Amino acid sequence: NAGVTQTPKFQVLKTGQSMTLQCAQDMNHEYMSWYRQDPGMGLRLIHYSVGAGITDQGEVPNGYNVSRSTTEDFPLRLLSAAPSQTSVYFCASSYSTWQGAYEQYFGPGTRLTVT
Amino acid sequence: GENVEQHPSTLSVQEGDSAVIKCTYSDSASNYFPWYKQELGKGPQLIIDIRSNVGEKKDQRIAVTLNKTAKHFSLHITETQPEDSAVYFCAASTNYGQNFVFGPGTRLSVLP
Repeated sequence: NAGVTQTPKFQVLKTGQSMTLQCAQDMNHEYMSWYRQDPGMGLRLIHYSVGAGITDQGEVPNGYNVSRSTTEDFPLRLLSAAPSQTSVYFCASSYSTWQGAYEQYFGPGTRLTVT
Repeated sequence: GENVEQHPSTLSVQEGDSAVIKCTYSDSASNYFPWYKQELGKGPQLIIDIRSNVGEKKDQRIAVTLNKTAKHFSLHITETQPEDSAVYFCAASTNYGQNFVFGPGTRLSVLP
C-alpha cells in the first residue's frame, strides 16, 4: 500500500492563478480531509468528505473547492490564488476502528507559495 | 466552537529524561483525543489516542492521560531518545475523529 499520496510536493503560483492539489489513497478509507498548516497555528481543516459524492466545509473553506467522485481521490482546487494561501497542505484519510473512533493517516504534504 | 491550547511551545530535555506536553480544550462534548508526531518534511503520524471514557492509556514509552473535569489531556514520554525529537500536536474531536481541532504544536528536542 502506498497509503496517502499527494502531488505536487512543491508549487509556486502567481496571485490569481488557479491549480489543483491532488490527493489519493489506496486504503479504501471512506473519510478524507484537507488541512493547511501555518507556523504556530497547528492544522486547520479546509474541507472534508465522508464518502464519494459527499463533501462539506471545515474551519477555513474560503478560496478552495473540493469534489469526491471516487473513494480513492480527493482533489483540492484553488480558484484564484492569493498570498494568504501560502501554506503547507496536508491530505488525510481515515477509517472507523472497532472502537468507533476514526484513525487518521496523513500524506507527505504540498508546500505552496503564492507570490 | 472548539479551541485547543497546547503548552509548552518548545521543550528541551536530556536524553533519558521524561517529557510532558499538556493540552486543554474548551468543548465539554469532545470525546476523542489523538496525539500526532510530525518529523521534518513529513506529514503528522498518529502515535497514541484516548477516548473520553478512559482516563489513561499507555503504549511502551508513551502514555496519555485525560482529565475530563478540568478539560485537559497530557502526553507523557519516558526515557526520551534523540529520535523522539519532532513536533507534537494534540487534537480534540466531538464526533470520535470525523472532525478535529488541533493544538498549535510543541517542538520537542532531546539532547544527547
